[in-house]
Amino acid sequence: DAKTTQPPSMDCAEGRAANLPCNHSTISGNEYVYWYRQIHSQGPQYIIHGLKNNETNEMASLIITEDRKSSTLILPHATLRDTAVYYCIVRVVSGGSNYKLTFGKGTLLTVNP
Amino acid sequence: ETGVTQSPTHLIKTRGQQVTLRCSSQSGHNTVSWYQQALGQGPQFIFQYYREEENGRGNFPPRFSGLQFPNYSSELNVNALELDDSALYLCASSLSSDRYNEQFFGPGTRLTVL
Repeated sequence: DAKTTQPPSMDCAEGRAANLPCNHSTISGNEYVYWYRQIHSQGPQYIIHGLKNNETNEMASLIITEDRKSSTLILPHATLRDTAVYYCIVRVVSGGSNYKLTFGKGTLLTVNP
Repeated sequence: ETGVTQSPTHLIKTRGQQVTLRCSSQSGHNTVSWYQQALGQGPQFIFQYYREEENGRGNFPPRFSGLQFPNYSSELNVNALELDDSALYLCASSLSSDRYNEQFFGPGTRLTVL
């Protein structure tokens, strides 16, 4: 799986959009970008994933650059409960059961009141 | 729908002892993965079980072993505990037929080795 680079920490004001960047310059054509987050003392939680098109769900939006070398996770209206470590993961989607998630250190997002 | 559960929540052991951690998969999921998360680090893949057999392993020594039962619940066993085994152990379940293999994590077991 390709390696990802994320800033170690970011701050955001409550109610504002949080934009979390991720670099994955060695991504292959068949690798997807996944985002998970981990709130303190809990297990990681899936947020969103995408291949090359922008994606949106009830939690967030994912913007992937045209060359696919970087992406941005957007939380449109951050709340205090969004304070967590956010992980950007790149992996091949092949179906079946044999796969793993390769986590880096992620970005600690702190949402301030 | 029942989520992933793990037991115990916390555990304290001494060096050289053995420990067993337990995980119940989310309803309908047939694949279980285990991860180790040291303080300040991201989770690291230990191994995965599918159809009661190990189906992939990370860079962990053989003293880390596991089991998956017919009801898809799972155990992680660690022998000859070392101080560096102190970590949060996470279990994640998924469905093999799900092309995107979304993994659902439990809350983890916090293991402290003294």
